[in-house]
Amino acid sequence: QVQLQESGPGLVKPSETLSLTCTVSGGSISTSYWSWIRQPPGKGLEYIGYIYYSGRTNYNPSLKSRVTISLDTSKNQFSLKLSSVTAAATAIYYCARLREGDSFDIWGQGTMVTVSS
Amino acid sequence: DIQMTQSPSSVSASVGDRVTITCRASQGISSWLAWYQQKPGKAPKLLIYTASSLQSGVPSRFSGSGSGTDFTLTISSLQPEDFATYYCQQANSFPPTFGQGTKVEIK
Repeated sequence: QVQLQESGPGLVKPSETLSLTCTVSGGSISTSYWSWIRQPPGKGLEYIGYIYYSGRTNYNPSLKSRVTISLDTSKNQFSLKLSSVTAAATAIYYCARLREGDSFDIWGQGTMVTVSS
Repeated sequence: DIQMTQSPSSVSASVGDRVTITCRASQGISSWLAWYQQKPGKAPKLLIYTASSLQSGVPSRFSGSGSGTDFTLTISSLQPEDFATYYCQQANSFPPTFGQGTKVEIK
């Protein structure tokens, strides 16, 4: 069965770039849509964006100017970069599979990222 | 963006109770709605997609209904493991947006 695992720094300084990687195991990344979602502590869920296996991307307009999602099929991984972060970016970041473009059916366990100097 | 509004924000219920959670979209989304369950410290888990389709492995006590702007998630007989926060999510248009969550607590 497909499993996802996030990895990356847990602490990022303000104005710097947040970088996370999601490793896909138990299946190929060369299918489906792969996405990032975040959840500030004690709050709700926010869609960040997705990348299709073809390389096509879609980003939340609220973050579009600062977000890049990329794919590394040789490593079965996809990555998130969010630039110019502020404390508002402090959240649990989840990677997830976006099934047929409608619902998120497989999630990673999440990784907490804190933005602080 | 389409706004999703859940009610109530929290509900207290006992084991065996029937629980209904409502989700309203700010504009029509046909049947493009999903429901998730999230337990503390865990990732959300998909329960229902396209408004009423049960995700594989999810107990049949969970059901979803609705179309257009108004949707419901029903737990027919609440079990101890069902105490959690539930979120709806619209999949009609990008960006996908989520409701604010409904916390189901022990009475």
